[in-house]
Amino acid sequence: AQTVTQSQPEMSVQEAETVTLSCTYDTSENNYYLFWYKQPPSRQMILVIRQEAYKQQNATENRFSVNFQKAAKSFSLKISDSQLGDTAMYFCAFMKPPVTLVFGKGTRLSVIA
Amino acid sequence: DAGVTQSPTHLIKTRGQQVTLRCSPKSGHDTVSWYQQALGQGPQFIFQYYEEEERQRGNFPDRFSGHQFPNYSSELNVNALLLGDSALYLCASSLWGWGTEAFFGQGTRLTVV
Repeated sequence: AQTVTQSQPEMSVQEAETVTLSCTYDTSENNYYLFWYKQPPSRQMILVIRQEAYKQQNATENRFSVNFQKAAKSFSLKISDSQLGDTAMYFCAFMKPPVTLVFGKGTRLSVIA
Repeated sequence: DAGVTQSPTHLIKTRGQQVTLRCSPKSGHDTVSWYQQALGQGPQFIFQYYEEEERQRGNFPDRFSGHQFPNYSSELNVNALLLGDSALYLCASSLWGWGTEAFFGQGTRLTVV
């Protein structure tokens, strides 16, 4: 069974600084998708970034980028130039075919002014 | 486009009662997945509907059942409610296919007393 582990329950960062959230996963599959979702206090899950395992290039979306290490089964999220609106729970997720998501327990990120 | 809509937003039920939660998927989506998110935890997969059939199911008892209608909307039913069923229930819609993006609703907060 696939599992996703987020080892940092809480993190904080100063506004405009950079922060990295960690995620490791376990799977025997060779091709799969990985995601980072953001859940603000409004509760709605919002997709931040996704990575397809067979693509070696790390995904980037504006201030958000990932460091995907397939051999180490590691998928960390880097947030650059942190903004107050980035304050939220962040969930790392693995996708089982076809569209089932397995989530980690989340990291609560606080951006401090 | 209204995105994924869920109703009701909040619900309080008594132990032993039955509850029905509703989800309308994003326009154009044909697949609906349901997740349970306990306080302070990541979402856990309950089941998934495509073409009005349950396609995949997570580790949840038979008290949890669902339905998908011809217009792709879906219901989640929980019978014989337990205190432990108190959680945020999230609906996600997507296209049926490997790696497609899942869009989430704002969830229904169920409290069992």
